[in-house]
Amino acid sequence: AQTVTQSQPEMSVQEAETVTLSCTYDTSESNYYLFWYKQPPSRQMILVIRQEAYKQQNATENRFSVNFQKAAKSFSLKISDSQLGDTAMYFCAFMNIGGSQGNLIFGKGTKLSVKP
Amino acid sequence: EPEVTQTPSHQVTQMGQEVILRCVPISNHLYFYWYRQILGQKVEFLVSFYNNEISEKSEIFDDQFSVERPDGSNFTLKIRSTKLEDSAMYFCASIPPGLAGEQFFGPGTRLTVL
Repeated sequence: AQTVTQSQPEMSVQEAETVTLSCTYDTSESNYYLFWYKQPPSRQMILVIRQEAYKQQNATENRFSVNFQKAAKSFSLKISDSQLGDTAMYFCAFMNIGGSQGNLIFGKGTKLSVKP
Repeated sequence: EPEVTQTPSHQVTQMGQEVILRCVPISNHLYFYWYRQILGQKVEFLVSFYNNEISEKSEIFDDQFSVERPDGSNFTLKIRSTKLEDSAMYFCASIPPGLAGEQFFGPGTRLTVL
């Protein structure tokens, strides 16, 4: 069974600075996707970034980028130029696309606070 | 931009009652999911649905739960005889054809069991 571990329950960062959220996962599968979802106080789940395991190049979306280390099964999220609106829970998630029907397995989340 | 919708946004019920949570996935999507998030905890997979039948379900999804796609648009989660521990946010999600990766989440229904 796959597991996703986020070892940082809470983090804080000053506005305009950079922060990195950690995520590790465990799987024997070779064909999968990894995601970071943001959950603001409204509790809506918002996709931040996606990484396909077969791609060596790290995904980037504006101020958000990942460091995907497949051999180490590590998938960290870097947020540059942090903004107050980035304050939220961040969930790392794994999806096996090899055989199952694509259900997501989530980590426990990291609560990020951006301070002015 | 099309989006997944869920109703109601908040449901309060008495323990032992039945509730039906409703979702309208994005129209051309084929795979549908329900997830649960107990307050302060991680999001947990409940069930996936494809081609009018359950594809996969977690150990949480026991006989108390059922899902249905009664027409071409709605996707429902029924919880029979609710328990206090069923209080949670329930999220519906869908994926376009081909399992392209991104799951589109609805805004969630907050279920409170008293």
